[in-house]
Parts: sequence; C-alpha cells; structure tokens
Amino acid sequence: QSVLTQPPSASGTPGQRVTISCSGSNSNIGTNTVNWFQHLPGTAPKLLVYTNTQRPSGVPDRFSASKSGTSASLAISGLQSEDEADYYCAAWDDNLSGVIFGGGTKLTVL
Amino acid sequence: QLQLQESGPGLVKPSETLSLTCIVSGGSISSTGHYWGWFRRPPGKGLEWIGNIYFNGSPYYNPSLRSRGTISADTSKNQFSLKLSSVTAADTAVYYCARLRGVVAADSWGQGTLVTVSS
Repeated sequence: QSVLTQPPSASGTPGQRVTISCSGSNSNIGTNTVNWFQHLPGTAPKLLVYTNTQRPSGVPDRFSASKSGTSASLAISGLQSEDEADYYCAAWDDNLSGVIFGGGTKLTVL
Repeated sequence: QLQLQESGPGLVKPSETLSLTCIVSGGSISSTGHYWGWFRRPPGKGLEWIGNIYFNGSPYYNPSLRSRGTISADTSKNQFSLKLSSVTAADTAVYYCARLRGVVAADSWGQGTLVTVSS
C-alpha cells in the first residue's frame, strides 16, 4: 500500500479534461513539493511536473498541476490518445527520509 | 544532450547480488544541483524509488530495501552504480537510472533494463 494515494484508474474521451488526485500527509505533500510522472511501460518515465506546478520544457501546457494542504492533483486538458499511460505522483517523505510514489493511475482514452 | 544507459546482467540467481551501472554521456555527474538515482518497476506494479546519490555525498536509500542496496558514483568514468544484495523474485523489475533536479524530480532517464531473478 502506497503512502501517497491515487485512484487506480481514470478515463476520458478525446478533447475532455481529466483530473488525477494524489493524497498524502503532513510528512510528505504537506511539507514537501510534489512531482508528477507519466509512464508507458516499455519506455522511459517522463517528468511532467516538478515543484508542485512547474512544467519542464517540452511538456505541453495541457498538463497542469496544483497542490493544497496534503493533497495534489494533475489535470490533463484536451485529452489525446497519446496521453494513455500510467501517471504517478511523487514526493519526499520526512518520516521515511526517502522518495515515495503514489500507486499510479492508469489513464484510458476512450 | 544528456543520455543515460543502464548496463548489467539481465538474469540474476536468487540470493546473489544484482549489479547495474548507469553510463552518463552529454553531461557530468559532478554537475552541481543534480542527484543521480535508481528506480524500478516490477511487472504489474508501480514505480519504486531505490536510492539517490550526489557526486560527493552520501547516498539515500529506500528503507524498504532493508539495507540491501549500495549506490556509488565514479566521477572519473562519469557513471554511477547500483548493487542490490540477497535478491529474490520480488526484485525482478525493469530498472531505470535517472538524473534528478533535487532529490525527487527525475528529469532525464535511461531506457531501462529488465532484470529477472531466477535460478
């Protein structure tokens, strides 16, 4: 069971907006920044968001993220078929003194 | 352009030590502000952090590894390595090396290498 809680699945149709949540605690999201990754098995994971809301260069602005208290969320607007992948939130946990990931959310584009 | 490439055996016997090296090109592992880390994804499961190292600092490890992991950096060869001892089938996974902004945000990844633990 992951320290960060994500819904196991999400879905949407092309063009829609979907949101993926990530729930943590004071020892992780509550005091440290949140990062989001996209991963298609068989390929290298990709950093989508760092420091809660920042997108690395090359990541489309269709991807946006927010954080409030001990929760965070990733929003994908204008959903495209190529967005079908697994999405993970991650943060440093002060109690564990390590990096923790959410269990991952499998996004299906219908 | 920064490139990372994992190398090492694809098959390891139970109770033995898994050894992987990440060869870095197009950038220096001695660059300030970047950690270098190892991650894995077991079949049917999610991403898992193994540990990080700063080129001149002490490594951080996932406590769930129960002290089985060792990460080291060789600045002369511009590479860093992972050793995981006493492996079991639960250590079967695709292993990735990555560069990190800080200690969490891995912004450049290797393609990954499948390591199977089996006799």
